[in-house]
Amino acid sequence: AQKVTQAQTEISVVEKEDVTLDCVYETRDTTYYLFWYKQPPSGELVFLIRRNSFDEQNEISGRYSWNFQKSTSSFNFTITASQVVDSAVYFCALRNNNAGNMLTFGGGTRLMVKP
Amino acid sequence: EPEVTQTPSHQVTQMGQEVILRCVPISNHLYFYWYRQILGQKVEFLVSFYNNEISEKSEIFDDQFSVERPDGSNFTLKIRSTKLEDSAMYFCASSEGQGQETQYFGPGTRLLVL
Repeated sequence: AQKVTQAQTEISVVEKEDVTLDCVYETRDTTYYLFWYKQPPSGELVFLIRRNSFDEQNEISGRYSWNFQKSTSSFNFTITASQVVDSAVYFCALRNNNAGNMLTFGGGTRLMVKP
Repeated sequence: EPEVTQTPSHQVTQMGQEVILRCVPISNHLYFYWYRQILGQKVEFLVSFYNNEISEKSEIFDDQFSVERPDGSNFTLKIRSTKLEDSAMYFCASSEGQGQETQYFGPGTRLLVL
């Protein structure tokens, strides 16, 4: 069985603050893939990043960074110097190598960035 | 940049009616998916499709649902007799392969069943 938990349902910050969105996953597989997607108010799902279970290197892309820690089964997402345009719902998702192609999504974190 | 497209963007239907949601996956992708998101809830997997057949489906994907690739570009989801609880956003996605391949999502079709 696989499960993704995003304990923070809603976060509100003021522009330019840094914010970290938490993601904790459960899986029995040793090979799996983790994803983050952004859902802006317009409703589409925008792919942000993919991580393989055997690659624990953290990644930075502009103001976005991701911290993958297998020891704590976490894949957290940090936005540095947040902007109003970052306001969205962010979903973490998991795909097991032995569980077909389905993505299991977390419940999402709604991020509101106020000017 | 290639993207997944979906039509219509919104659909309103009466309970018991059939609806067909349409998707055009990214052209070189081989795997296709449908997910749904009931308002305010998480995104849930419905079905995956490869080589003209269903490769896996969830418990949600019961006999009321069917998928089809009627031609070389379209991928459709049919709901035979809609229920109120089918009201949701339906997302189509596609990926080049399986495994680590990223699934790219379309903009969604918002279905409202009255």
